[in-house]
Amino acid sequence: DQQVKQNSPSLSVQEGRISILNCDYTNSMFDYFLWYKKYPAEGPTFLISISSIKDKNEDGRFTVFLNKSAKHLSLHIVPSQPGDSAVYFCAASRNTGNQFYFGTGTSLTVIP
Amino acid sequence: DVKVTQSSRYLVKRTGEKVFLECVQDMDHENMFWYRQDPGLGLRLIYFSYDVKMKEKGDIPEGYSVSREKKERFSLILESASTNQTSMYLCASSSLERGGRVEQYFGPGTRLTVT
Repeated sequence: DQQVKQNSPSLSVQEGRISILNCDYTNSMFDYFLWYKKYPAEGPTFLISISSIKDKNEDGRFTVFLNKSAKHLSLHIVPSQPGDSAVYFCAASRNTGNQFYFGTGTSLTVIP
Repeated sequence: DVKVTQSSRYLVKRTGEKVFLECVQDMDHENMFWYRQDPGLGLRLIYFSYDVKMKEKGDIPEGYSVSREKKERFSLILESASTNQTSMYLCASSSLERGGRVEQYFGPGTRLTVT
C-alpha cells in the first residue's frame, strides 16, 4: 500500500515561473519529510526537508510547505530554471532515520 | 560532504549468474539501504541495515540477500540473476542527527542489465 503518493507523473513550466510539486501521505506518524531531485542515470540528490513541527522551510529558490491536517506537502521552485528539469521524489520518515517511504516521482520540465 | 559510492555504474550479467553490488559510505552512518528504481514505480526498498551484521527486509526482498560486515560497507547479492532484476539499483545511507533532523544520501546508482 503506497503510503506516500505523487499523483502528477509530469509537470511542464515556463522558465521564470513557479513550479509546484505535490505530495500526499497517509500515515500520520510520519514526522520528517524530504524532497529529492534525480537526473537520468544518477542517484537522487537531497534537496530540502521539513520536520513535522514546522509548516514551511525555505532554502534559496526552494520552499517546502507542510499541511499536516491535510497530510499534504508541496515543493515550490521560484523562479524555475531549465536546469531544474528532473524527476522529483518526495519521501517521508518516522523520526528514526531508518525507514523512508518514497512517492513515485514527478517529472518536471522547465521550458526555456 | 557525504559520499556514498557504488562499485559499478553499469553492469551486464547473464541469467543465473551470481551478482554482487557493493556500496561504501564515508560518513559513519548507522543505516544503509538498497533500493531499486523502475519506471512508474518509484524507489522500492529491497533491504536495509541499521547496524553491522543487522538487516531487515524491505518491500521486495525476494531474490536478493545482503551483507554488512563493516559499518561503512553494505553489499547486495543477487543469488541467481533473472531478467526481471534488470533495473537501476541505488544504495543510500542515513543518520538521525541532533535535533531530530534526518538525512539520507544516495550513491550514483548501478544500472544492471540481465540478459
